[in-house]
Amino acid sequence: DAKTTQPNSMESNEEEPVHLPCNHSTISGTDYIHWYRQLPSQGPEYVIHGLTSNVNNRMASLAIAEDRKSSTLILHRATLRDAAVYYCILNSGTASKLTFGTGTRLQVTL
Amino acid sequence: NAGVTQTPKFQVLKTGQSMTLQCAQDMNHEYMSWYRQDPGMGLRLIHYSVGAGITDQGEVPNGYNVSRSTTEDFPLRLLSAAPSQTSVYFCASTREGGRGNTEAFFGQGTRLTVV
Repeated sequence: DAKTTQPNSMESNEEEPVHLPCNHSTISGTDYIHWYRQLPSQGPEYVIHGLTSNVNNRMASLAIAEDRKSSTLILHRATLRDAAVYYCILNSGTASKLTFGTGTRLQVTL
Repeated sequence: NAGVTQTPKFQVLKTGQSMTLQCAQDMNHEYMSWYRQDPGMGLRLIHYSVGAGITDQGEVPNGYNVSRSTTEDFPLRLLSAAPSQTSVYFCASTREGGRGNTEAFFGQGTRLTVV
């Protein structure tokens, strides 16, 4: 699987938007870009995924660069409950074999 | 809807003991997986299964056995626990196929300490 690069940590103020970047310069044409998050003492939780077009769901938005070498997870209004480690993962096969990096630890403050 | 259920939530073992971590899912998913997560690190794949009776090794399979006799259950066995197996273990399930277009559902984890 192609590698992803994320910042180790980011901080945000509550109720402000958060943009979490992910670089994946060696992405292949069949790789979907997935985001999961892991709240403290919990299992990972699916957030969003996409292939080429930007995607929106109730949790977040995913903006994918035109060349697909990078993407950004957007939390429109961060809350304290969004404090977690966010993982950007590329996957072209089954989601039963995900490759996790160390992710970005998001801190949200009042 | 329970999703993926793992038991126990916490366990302390002595070196050399054996035990089974249980995982059950009620979503009728074909694919199931076991991961371990060490402090400050991402999850690493131990074993996975693409259906009843079919299992395969992941990145870190040594010291662990699995079997899949039903669609719902995917137990992970530690044959002779070692301190290096102290970790948090997560089970996941996903529906088959998708070629990258499906998501995984994770359990809440089992925190295992081997002394």
